[in-house]
Amino acid sequence: AQSVTQLDSHVSVSEGTPVLLRCNYSSSYSPSLFWYVQHPNKGLQLLLKYTSAATLVKGINGFEAEFKKSETSFHLTKPSAHMSDAAEYFCVVSEGPGGSYIPTFGRGTSLIVHP
Amino acid sequence: GAVVSQHPSWVICKSGTSVKIECRSLDFQATTMFWYRQFPKQSLMLMATSNEGSKATYEQGVEKDKFLINHASLTLSTLTVTSAHPEDSSFYICSVTLSGRGKEQFFGPGTRLTVL
Repeated sequence: AQSVTQLDSHVSVSEGTPVLLRCNYSSSYSPSLFWYVQHPNKGLQLLLKYTSAATLVKGINGFEAEFKKSETSFHLTKPSAHMSDAAEYFCVVSEGPGGSYIPTFGRGTSLIVHP
Repeated sequence: GAVVSQHPSWVICKSGTSVKIECRSLDFQATTMFWYRQFPKQSLMLMATSNEGSKATYEQGVEKDKFLINHASLTLSTLTVTSAHPEDSSFYICSVTLSGRGKEQFFGPGTRLTVL
């Protein structure tokens, strides 16, 4: 069984300051992990993904995440927030015996960026 | 460019009518298609998974007779909300996984359904 926990429902930062969005997972198999961003009334866009290669993953728009197996974490970070980063962020774990790829979504974290 | 399209992007209908939402994988053959619904300020809830030419697999609690899924080809899946009621109003999103791209999902832009 798999699960994913996004520890914060809301994160508020000032523009230009670092961003940390937390995600913990559990998985019976070697998981694939993803971060997606959703702007209001839009579909989801992939920020980055971990698929058992390098543990530090760089994504689009300056975001990166580090897979830490010992901590079962996959936190999303960005050195300097921009106003356009304000959105909903979802951490997703995907596993499946035989490659069924059924994903599990976190509840989402709303990132608020103050000027 | 967009990998997945959805049509329509928004629809308003009267209670009791049926609504069809299309999900197309553009330029690529989708191995699997997923249908989600999303309530305001909430996460995505997986409704069903479908593969081309086979019956959709519905998640627990999702009425298969209410939400009909037809995966007609490797690039097209449709979700029909039958006899829609106001409680079916939601944001419906499809996603696909593509051959050779592992478990990464490509999401459509979503369809906003409002049932009056």
